[in-house]
Amino acid sequence: EIVLTQSPGTLSLSPGERATLVCRASQSISSSYLAWYQQKPGQAPRLLIYSASSRATGIPDRFSGSGSGTDFTLTISRLESEDFAMYYCQQYGSSPETFTFGPGTKVDIK
Amino acid sequence: QVQLVQSGAEVKKPGASVKVSCKASGDTFSTYGLSWVRQAPGQGLEWMGWISAYSGHTTYAQNLQGRVTMTSDTSTSTAYMELRSLRSDDTAVYYCAKGTYYGYFYWGQGTLVTVSS
Repeated sequence: EIVLTQSPGTLSLSPGERATLVCRASQSISSSYLAWYQQKPGQAPRLLIYSASSRATGIPDRFSGSGSGTDFTLTISRLESEDFAMYYCQQYGSSPETFTFGPGTKVDIK
Repeated sequence: QVQLVQSGAEVKKPGASVKVSCKASGDTFSTYGLSWVRQAPGQGLEWMGWISAYSGHTTYAQNLQGRVTMTSDTSTSTAYMELRSLRSDDTAVYYCAKGTYYGYFYWGQGTLVTVSS
């Protein structure tokens, strides 16, 4: 079963700065099946990026995703106040069929 | 716009069962699969399983096999997740989420299930 790790665990940045979040898979995965979510306290997660690099509906273009194989990145080009939150990556695997989440990266205000 | 509305909070004793519902509106119910994801207090997201509303096919996370059952009722556009033999570590917010292999595009508001004697 594929395991996802995310780094760093916490990212302390100031508004306007660039955030780079990394998601690594224990073995190569299809980029079609790699997604990123944002979650704020007390709220359900929200899909940001699907298929590694496609922005979901309504997601600002300061969010971008990239990567392939085992290494994937979520970049927030210029942090705004509403971007301070938890971020999770997720992958779908077919053998066994499972949707795995990474442990998350917390982006907080420096 | 697709909306997923979940049933309200539950308090259960250890060993009991809980059944959480998720009613979909705004789209054809059979479009996309319906997954269940839980989040223990202060913890990350844990995928529990999913059901194809079209075929009824289910896949469950290995660690929940035998304790969880996911069903759907296309006549009411409602999905259900039943978890049995509850333990204290099942205390969590339970989410339903609608999507595909590419990601979960829509999420319910979450249902807090507390297991306590």
